[in-house]
Amino acid sequence: EVQLVESGGGLVQPGRSLKLSCAASGFTFSNYYMAWVRQAPKKGLEWVATISTSGSRTYYPDSVKGRFTISRDNAKSSLYLQMNSLKSEDTATYYCAREAKPLHWYFDFWGPGTMVTVSS
Amino acid sequence: DVQMTQSLSYLAASPGESVSISCKASKSISNYLAWYQQKPGEAYKLLIYSGSTLQSGTPSRFSGSGSGTDFTLTIRSLEPEDFGLYYCQQYYEKPLTFGSGTKLEIK
Repeated sequence: EVQLVESGGGLVQPGRSLKLSCAASGFTFSNYYMAWVRQAPKKGLEWVATISTSGSRTYYPDSVKGRFTISRDNAKSSLYLQMNSLKSEDTATYYCAREAKPLHWYFDFWGPGTMVTVSS
Repeated sequence: DVQMTQSLSYLAASPGESVSISCKASKSISNYLAWYQQKPGEAYKLLIYSGSTLQSGTPSRFSGSGSGTDFTLTIRSLEPEDFGLYYCQQYYEKPLTFGSGTKLEIK
């Protein structure tokens, strides 16, 4: 059974950093592109980052480019999101998601999410 | 960026009825569209990709249609477990973008 479990969320002050983790199990992690998607309170979904199977290629929207870094450790079946220079608008539930097929850019499994609150 | 519009934010229906949820793209996205369902306390679930291809495990009462800019998710003969939130997502180009969601509630 595919499982994705995020951790690392919490309350952080504006301008500070936070690192999220996602533990994957039930599939061969190194075979899949992985992504982070977020949802602000009462808002829709926003794609945050995608990483290739090897980790050599990463993709971001302009809203987080230069502040967020996605990475992975295939030996540990883990996905990460380093978030720097956090802003109040980064407050959201962050979901780890598996891309259904490489370069197909839609997501066949999601984690339950971890909440990040950016506030002073 | 491709804007995805789900014109109906809320839809009420009764079990056994059929409903359609629309999603409109601000430019042509061919059939690069996915539909997701979210129920309270559960993870997002992929229902349909490529506009009309059912993901493994998606009940056959779900169907997707459309191409270009206009897409529809149809649920025939609603079951109690179908009530929840539905989102569309385009993956024609980056940034990947989602609709604002349609909440399907029991009438």
